[in-house]
Amino acid sequence: KAGVTQTPRYLIKTRGQQVTLSCSPISGHRSVSWYQQTPGQGLQFLFEYFSETQRNKGNFPGRFSGRQFSNSRSEMNVSTLELGDSALYLCASSLFGPEAFFGQGTRLTVV
Amino acid sequence: QQQVKQSPQSLIVQKGGISIINCAYENTAFDYFPWYQQFPGKGPALLIAIRPDVSEKKEGRFTISFNKSAKQFSLHIMDSQPGDSATYFCAASTQGTSGSRLTFGEGTQLTVNP
Repeated sequence: KAGVTQTPRYLIKTRGQQVTLSCSPISGHRSVSWYQQTPGQGLQFLFEYFSETQRNKGNFPGRFSGRQFSNSRSEMNVSTLELGDSALYLCASSLFGPEAFFGQGTRLTVV
Repeated sequence: QQQVKQSPQSLIVQKGGISIINCAYENTAFDYFPWYQQFPGKGPALLIAIRPDVSEKKEGRFTISFNKSAKQFSLHIMDSQPGDSATYFCAASTQGTSGSRLTFGEGTQLTVNP
């Protein structure tokens, strides 16, 4: 059974640009969550989607948005990139409960 | 209220020794407590998890001890091996109609010397 797949693995963007990250959950999983990991702030929750609806949202500015498609795949978008957005962005999928399985992440560098 | 405090920040253990990592939480609504293991360049991998209705859970060399009254839980790694060298995160979450979100501790960098 394939795990959580995140693409791309690495990205370099310039300040002010926008970026879209993609996540394919484990087959059959309907919940997808996104987390930001930085050395200074650790792992922080961005948002969670279930059946194409955002169910939960963390304390991030509106520049961070996401969506989920009918096949449970999810995308995360960050607009007007800032240097501080450089981080490892992790996607996790869950079947029903809180047990979450993470992908390898997308390493975003903003220059 | 939502924080999870983890200690120590780093830990060095000899091969065959016991590694102990501690976490404390404030939010009594948390009802699921997982531990994750993360190697460099990889995403966190779910190691073991516990719910507050049990005080201990063991899976192989990994044991979670849970103290509901003290709002603390810990991870014990028995017979630690160099391959266990990684960063370990505790986490906590609630599960309800508004979905779930994991609140993570700060992480513990474990080094097991051969």
